[in-house]
Amino acid sequence: NAGVTQTPKFQVLKTGQSMTLQCAQDMNHNSMYWYRQDPGMGLRLIYYSASEGTTDKGEVPNGYNVSRLNKREFSLRLESAAPSQTSVYFCASSERVRNTEAFFGQGTRLTVV
Amino acid sequence: GENVGLHLPTLSVQEGDNSIINCAYSNSASDYFIWYKQESGKGPQFIIDIRSNMDKRQGQRVTVLLNKTVKHLSLQIAATQPGDSAVYFCAEPPRVDSSYKLIFGSGTRLLVRP
Repeated sequence: NAGVTQTPKFQVLKTGQSMTLQCAQDMNHNSMYWYRQDPGMGLRLIYYSASEGTTDKGEVPNGYNVSRLNKREFSLRLESAAPSQTSVYFCASSERVRNTEAFFGQGTRLTVV
Repeated sequence: GENVGLHLPTLSVQEGDNSIINCAYSNSASDYFIWYKQESGKGPQFIIDIRSNMDKRQGQRVTVLLNKTVKHLSLQIAATQPGDSAVYFCAEPPRVDSSYKLIFGSGTRLLVRP
């Protein structure tokens, strides 16, 4: 039981390049989330998917797109990477019932040069 | 801009002392809270939770106190150890009245001095 798996773990992009961060969970959770965490900062919600087939903007969605491919997978795409998107990205999932915690992946460290 | 945010406050404690990490919330209807621990280079992990019908909940070396009157939570760690060094976040689980968003508090960095 792997929980939440993110790929890749590390990535370096040049300004203007595009890439997709992958996330998969094997806990049959309805809800999935993408966060970014800048050095010395807290977690900021980029996009989330409350259930398969729906996606919604979080606190900092500009420059990103997401796809809820199926119940297991939720990808985050940077169409034209910018240095301001250098960060650590975390994917999380949770069940959509009361009183339950979220489970996080190990993160993707992205550097845009 | 995208990089605007608040740097994490830091609490520095001597190994063996007790630590108290605080969190304020704004929604008086909130009925469940979770504390997460994020070690360096890892994703946050659940450590303890508390329901609003409780004032206190104890785990192994950790205690959560909930003061609903002032909408305040605290996480107390007894006999703090080097392995407790991490960032601690409080959060509420996703709720239908917030469109199932999961938003975290700003977090506190705990540094344990040997």
